[in-house]
Amino acid sequence: TQLLEQSPQFLSIQEGENLTVYCNSSSVFSSLQWYRQEPGEGPVLLVTVVTGGEVKKLKRLTFQFGDARKDSSLHITAAQPGDTGLYLCAGANFGNEKLTFGTGTRLTIIP
Amino acid sequence: DSGVTQTPKHLITATGQRVTLRCSPRSGDLSVYWYQQSLDQGLQFLIQYYNGEERAKGNILERFSAQQFPDLHSELNLSSLELGDSALYFCASSVSPYPGLAGKNTGELFFGEGSRLTVL
Repeated sequence: TQLLEQSPQFLSIQEGENLTVYCNSSSVFSSLQWYRQEPGEGPVLLVTVVTGGEVKKLKRLTFQFGDARKDSSLHITAAQPGDTGLYLCAGANFGNEKLTFGTGTRLTIIP
Repeated sequence: DSGVTQTPKHLITATGQRVTLRCSPRSGDLSVYWYQQSLDQGLQFLIQYYNGEERAKGNILERFSAQQFPDLHSELNLSSLELGDSALYFCASSVSPYPGLAGKNTGELFFGEGSRLTVL
């Protein structure tokens, strides 16, 4: 069974600070996705990374896929209250219909 | 608006009862996924259908069953409900049967707003 552990589980920081959340596994994934879920809504895809070492930027969010494709990180610069939400990583393997979600990081940005 | 519609949004029922959750995927999406999200937990994959056929099964209890109809909408049936079945149930849809793929036939999952089930 492939498991994705996310850390920290909870994070509460002041507006304007930087933060990094992590997604780790002992298994190799062909691709890794990050989703954000806001209260009362379903998760929404932020990014997909597929190459070991790949870095993708989405405004103030920077996503990195580990060289060995077993882990990923999400770095947010100058956090805003609108960044508040549950961040979920999800791993997939080509040819496999199953997308495995991580345990989630609940992020709160304090104005 | 993801384009995925789930009904009902909220459901309160008693132990031992049976409920049906309904999902209409985005127009053109052939894949439907069901996930369970309990309090303070991530998304647990239950089952996936692609164009009417079951494609993958996760940790779905025998008391639960699902199907995808010819018009591509899907239903998740939960029976002999227990207190521990209280959770958010999400439906997601995608074009491809292979989630997580990047590129033209993206495996992006589009989620509905969920059905919150409370078993008393």
